[in-house]
Amino acid sequence: EAGVVQSPRYKIIEKKQPVAFWCNPISGHNTLYWYRQNLGQGPELLIRYENEEAVDDSQLPKDRFSAERLKGVDSTLKIQPAELGDSAVYLCASSREGESSPLHFGNGTRLTVT
Amino acid sequence: AQSVSQHNHHVILSEAASLELGCNYSYGGTVNLFWYVQYPGQHLQLLLKYFSGDPLVKGIKGFEAEFIKSKFSFNLRKPSVQWSDTAEYFCAVKGNTDKLIFGTGTRLQVFP
Repeated sequence: EAGVVQSPRYKIIEKKQPVAFWCNPISGHNTLYWYRQNLGQGPELLIRYENEEAVDDSQLPKDRFSAERLKGVDSTLKIQPAELGDSAVYLCASSREGESSPLHFGNGTRLTVT
Repeated sequence: AQSVSQHNHHVILSEAASLELGCNYSYGGTVNLFWYVQYPGQHLQLLLKYFSGDPLVKGIKGFEAEFIKSKFSFNLRKPSVQWSDTAEYFCAVKGNTDKLIFGTGTRLQVFP
């Protein structure tokens, strides 16, 4: 099966600029996750979707971050405006329904804010 | 709140040495436990998982992990590492919130 596809792989922007990341999950995976991984840390969940519904966005900084998953397939994560502290790798993952289903991760987008 | 601790941040071994990476979690209820691996330049992928049953879990590439409930631990082991095992290893826990919490990771370097 094709894996989780993310784009772009790398993005460099100046602070206060907007940025968007795109994710296409594995076909048939209803659950989609966005994680942020800071240097030297493990991934931290930003938001989880079940189909098109955001079921857990408690860790998403809603003043500048937004996400959408129209039609319950691919998803976009946006930051506006970006801050220096947003530099990180943004990971998308997907899984089938059910607690025993493992997460499948994309390669991530490495964001550098200057 | 759930949390995961990985005490070894960087491990350096020679090929054929034995490996054990520590993972401890804090959560009093039923947990699902995972080890993920990230090879250089690749995405995170599942190494093994524990949900219930036999506390000794075998994963891919000769890895295994043992769930010790009394110690809140899920250590990863491999009897004989190879150069190709060089990667970053993440322990993760899922409790009743259905949220997967990752540890900070352990970087393993294996020299031939």
